[in-house]
Amino acid sequence: EADIYQTPRYLVIGTGKKITLECSQTMGHDKMYWYQQDPGMELHLIHYSYGVNSTEKGDLSSESTVSRIRTEHFPLTLESARPSHTSQYLCASSAYNEQFFGPGTRLTVL
Amino acid sequence: ELKVEQNPLFLSMQEGKNYTIYCNYSTTSDRLYWYRQDPGKSLESLFVLLSNGAVKQEGRLMASLDTKARLSTLHITAAVHDLSATYFCAVDPYSGGGADGLTFGKGTHLIIQP
Repeated sequence: EADIYQTPRYLVIGTGKKITLECSQTMGHDKMYWYQQDPGMELHLIHYSYGVNSTEKGDLSSESTVSRIRTEHFPLTLESARPSHTSQYLCASSAYNEQFFGPGTRLTVL
Repeated sequence: ELKVEQNPLFLSMQEGKNYTIYCNYSTTSDRLYWYRQDPGKSLESLFVLLSNGAVKQEGRLMASLDTKARLSTLHITAAVHDLSATYFCAVDPYSGGGADGLTFGKGTHLIIQP
């Protein structure tokens, strides 16, 4: 059973606000990922990390940023939220050929 | 650019029937993943296929991988309503254990009717 946590699970916020989506895992995995998924659609990789102090941009361009100061923690930040950022954000970590997904954060920007 | 294509994208079937979902991908890879997603939920790992010819089965679901044809199949046997969900295949484009993230298909929305 994978232990990967995301908070908040749901967030409704106004345009222009700064937000941080939290992701943490207790499995000691070095590799972590953020995916964006619109309802009923495929997942798109927006950020990933190989380990502490490593961050890379994914296939889908995103205005969000990430940091990896601790192995277990991989937060995603939007400096100024816009309605186009409304989506579900899924965090994942991997080891030994398998990716484990968190429960997701459903973000709505009004 | 890696492309992962699933078909069908929508499937409505009756309980007790058999059906197959197909996943084609456009680059050399020997790592393919199948996930299940229920509405409003996260992804649940179903199968991890790591070599050509790999076949895995769990209950009424069976997945296979043909790396030469760049094709994976997810076969449903004697479908039951509880299998209604969206099924995604995903490919590791670098065959490096997902180090750079996975590329997903659009998903197959499966509805199984009594």
